[in-house]
Amino acid sequence: DSGVTQTPKHLITATGQRVTLRCSPRSGDLSVYWYQQSLDQGLQFLIQYYNGEERAKGNILERFSAQQFPDLHSELNLSSLELGDSALYFCASSVEGQGVNEQFFGPGTRLTVL
Amino acid sequence: ELKVEQNPLFLSMQEGKNYTIYCNYSTTSDRLYWYRQDPGKSLESLFVLLSNGAVKQEGRLMASLDTKARLSTLHITAAVHDLSATYFCAVATNFGNEKLTFGTGTRLTIIP
Repeated sequence: DSGVTQTPKHLITATGQRVTLRCSPRSGDLSVYWYQQSLDQGLQFLIQYYNGEERAKGNILERFSAQQFPDLHSELNLSSLELGDSALYFCASSVEGQGVNEQFFGPGTRLTVL
Repeated sequence: ELKVEQNPLFLSMQEGKNYTIYCNYSTTSDRLYWYRQDPGKSLESLFVLLSNGAVKQEGRLMASLDTKARLSTLHITAAVHDLSATYFCAVATNFGNEKLTFGTGTRLTIIP
């Protein structure tokens, strides 16, 4: 158990819908990262937040957005869902500023778009 | 754009044998990570390699980093069934840009 929690574990929805994935980082970690894992794209970085501020952006679609709240938990919002958005979405957290920046991954949310 | 390549993609080996997984990356990096993923599960951090020549060992796994060659290796010694999993290397390019770029993964199957 990495100490990173994600809810829900599974999500099944229809095309065109909107969903919200939630992540709570390890105690003391200020950085939260979101990754998408799919069979065709592999593991891809989506976005990073550090202490409430967006720090880095990767291959995140405009239909997707994220935020980090004052209590440091983060939410990833996916809208106008398409079949191709079906994937495993991971959240990771780290203690930044100590050089190592080892990222610890949550259990993931498996999203299925029908 | 940073590219991270792993080989082989699939590896089936017998218990007791030794083998090496290779991870090549295309640009200068100061940090390389190895992760393990069991089917349907999350990623478990195995090693963090921070400098040229770094070598770390945990049980039957040993990882090394050659920043000049832009190459990391994960060596498996006397494989056991419990090591069956998918192994990923991931590269971070520089401080201030903390995103990880992952390799394609190596699916390792240990046959009794």
